[in-house]
Amino acid sequence: EPEVTQTPSHQVTQMGQEVILRCVPISNHLYFYWYRQILGQKVEFLVSFYNNEISEKSEIFDDQFSVERPDGSNFTLKIRSTKLEDSAMYFCASRTPRDRGLNEQFFGPGTRLTVL
Amino acid sequence: AQSVTQLDSQVPVFEEAPVELRCNYSSSVSVYLFWYVQYPNQGLQLLLKYLSGSTLVESINGFEAEFNKSQTSFHLRKPSVHISDTAEYFCAVTPNTGFQKLVFGTGTRLLVSP
Repeated sequence: EPEVTQTPSHQVTQMGQEVILRCVPISNHLYFYWYRQILGQKVEFLVSFYNNEISEKSEIFDDQFSVERPDGSNFTLKIRSTKLEDSAMYFCASRTPRDRGLNEQFFGPGTRLTVL
Repeated sequence: AQSVTQLDSQVPVFEEAPVELRCNYSSSVSVYLFWYVQYPNQGLQLLLKYLSGSTLVESINGFEAEFNKSQTSFHLRKPSVHISDTAEYFCAVTPNTGFQKLVFGTGTRLLVSP
C-alpha cells in the first residue's frame, strides 16, 4: 500500500541553524501539506502546495519557512533560522485531486524537530 | 474560519466498555468532518470521514460517528473497546471547497485498561 514517507524521523539542531525536512508524498497525489504538532498541543496547519506553488499558508508560516518540490517526488520544508519554539513534530500530508472522489489526506509518520 | 472543540482531553475506560469521544465544530460554510487516530510514536491515520449522504459513518474496526448538523457535532463512538484502541483521537474539519486544509481539535487520549 502506498504511503507518505518522511526523513529524518528525528532532527536535533542548534538555535539559528537551518533545517530541511523531507517528505516523499504518494506518487499520484497532487496536493501537499505541512502540519506541525507542538508537544501536548493540537496539530496545526502550516502550508498547502499545489501546481508548484503555495496555495495557502497560516500565520505560523512566516519568512523563516519555505517549501519546495525540487524533483517531482520530494516535498521539503525548510526553516531558515530555527528558534526554540520551532521544536515540534512536523507532519507531511498529500491528497489526490478532489475530482477523483477522495478527500482524505494521507499523513506521513512525522519528523520530530528538537531545537536546542 | 473553522474551529473544533474536543472537550475531553483524556477518557479512561475499561476494556469491553462503550466509549464516546465528543467533537463539536463551528464553521460559516459547509464542511467535511474527519476522525484521525494517532497511536504512540506514530503518524496520523484516518479513522473515518463524513463527506455527504448518510450521517452515520463507520470504520472497519468498529468505530462509528454521527454527523449532527443542528448540534454541529461529530461524536465518535465504539460499543466495546479493546486495549489496542488506546491512542490519541483527533477530530478535524475542512471546508468542502478550496484546497482543504484540515483544522484539528486538541485531541482526546483514550486510555483502555484491562
